[in-house]
Amino acid sequence: ETGVTQTPRHLVMGMTNKKSLKCEQHLGHNAMYWYKQSAKKPLELMFVYSLEERVENNSVPSRFSPECPNSSHLFLHLHTLQPEDSALYLCASSPQQGTVTQYFGPGTRLTVL
Amino acid sequence: AQSVTQLGSHVSVSEGALVLLRCNYSSSVPPYLFWYVQYPNQGLQLLLKYTTGATLVKGINGFEAEFKKSETSFHLTKPSAHMSDAAEYFCAVSEESRNYQLIWGAGTKLIIKP
Repeated sequence: ETGVTQTPRHLVMGMTNKKSLKCEQHLGHNAMYWYKQSAKKPLELMFVYSLEERVENNSVPSRFSPECPNSSHLFLHLHTLQPEDSALYLCASSPQQGTVTQYFGPGTRLTVL
Repeated sequence: AQSVTQLGSHVSVSEGALVLLRCNYSSSVPPYLFWYVQYPNQGLQLLLKYTTGATLVKGINGFEAEFKKSETSFHLTKPSAHMSDAAEYFCAVSEESRNYQLIWGAGTKLIIKP
């Protein structure tokens, strides 16, 4: 498999559930990103990892917890979410942090009931 | 602060007609500029980008965009729309001083009428 993959593609969860989103990149990149895409709003950068170290956290609530065990995998752990957290969560990667071009996965459509 | 404005959340054109999607940005220095496309139920795909050099940039699927510094614009065009162009298009900018963090527009949904 090539490119950036995300699982699951769709997720429905209650506010008390704990779930995780997974991203895997097969491009040999060293930087990975989580974005939130809500309807009619610009993409919001949530987290940036470079060589498995978190280098940016854009004031994201603690109910979102990222994990980057190696440069190919990125997780977003979710707990006690709110309905307004329903969105498309996109993962991206780039050769290095600060590289001009990012490559995106297909996203996970999250619905919080 | 950087910002990106895409004029029109929806643009509707007839098949075979010219496509024009507008993007204006605010930046204190010459930025890097991008157009991404998102087809239904898919992630974002890079359509084209401007970094340096020629201001008219050609991308995939027959799209092109022109960087006009005096107008702070990077409008996306295609001479003849095809049904398969129906998608949402996002303009983004980045600057070296901000470590190339992408700043995004809100997107424009392109609708193609048969």
